[in-house]
Amino acid sequence: AQSVTQPDIHITVSEGASLELRCNYSYGATPYLFWYVQSPGQGLQLLLKYFSGDTLVQGIKGFEAEFKRSQSSFNLRKPSVHWSDAAEYFCAVGGRLLTGGGNKLTFGTGTQLKVEL
Amino acid sequence: KAGVTQTPRYLIKTRGQQVTLSCSPISGHRSVSWYQQTPGQGLQFLFEYFSETQRNKGNFPGRFSGRQFSNSRSEMNVSTLELGDSALYLCASSLEGLAGIPGELFFGEGSRLTVL
Repeated sequence: AQSVTQPDIHITVSEGASLELRCNYSYGATPYLFWYVQSPGQGLQLLLKYFSGDTLVQGIKGFEAEFKRSQSSFNLRKPSVHWSDAAEYFCAVGGRLLTGGGNKLTFGTGTQLKVEL
Repeated sequence: KAGVTQTPRYLIKTRGQQVTLSCSPISGHRSVSWYQQTPGQGLQFLFEYFSETQRNKGNFPGRFSGRQFSNSRSEMNVSTLELGDSALYLCASSLEGLAGIPGELFFGEGSRLTVL
């Protein structure tokens, strides 16, 4: 069965500092990987996705993520964090295990990011 | 382009009652998925509908059901509510997700259900 692990429940960084959020996945086929962000009282917004090709993917708001197949990881990074980045971040996996196609994603439990001014 | 609209945004029910939540997807999206979000379990997949047919289903009891209409709008229903059903229910719409490649999910703001 597929699963996603986000080992850090809470992370606090200072504004302007770099950020890395960890994500490890388990999936029995070619994984399609996503990072979503959720601000308080809001739904989830897609930051970036990896399907194939270049293992370093760029997303919105200055975020990037690197797919490492050997480590089953898809860590999210940002070189300089802004106070508005404070939110909860979710890693998710989906893909070809589904017969007949479909949009089922398995999400990690999320990492809550706090930004200190 | 209007986003995903969920109604109601907040509701309070008592144990044993039933509830119906509604989701209007982005125009042109035929896939609608539902997720339950709780602090302890995170985001759990409930089901996905595509062209009025349930295409995928998560591991929830039969008290949780859904349907999709010809205009792609979807409803989910929870019968015989339990305290543990208190959660944020998120709807997401997407393009087709063919050949095993998931489409990008566009989420609504959710319906927050409190069961007393």
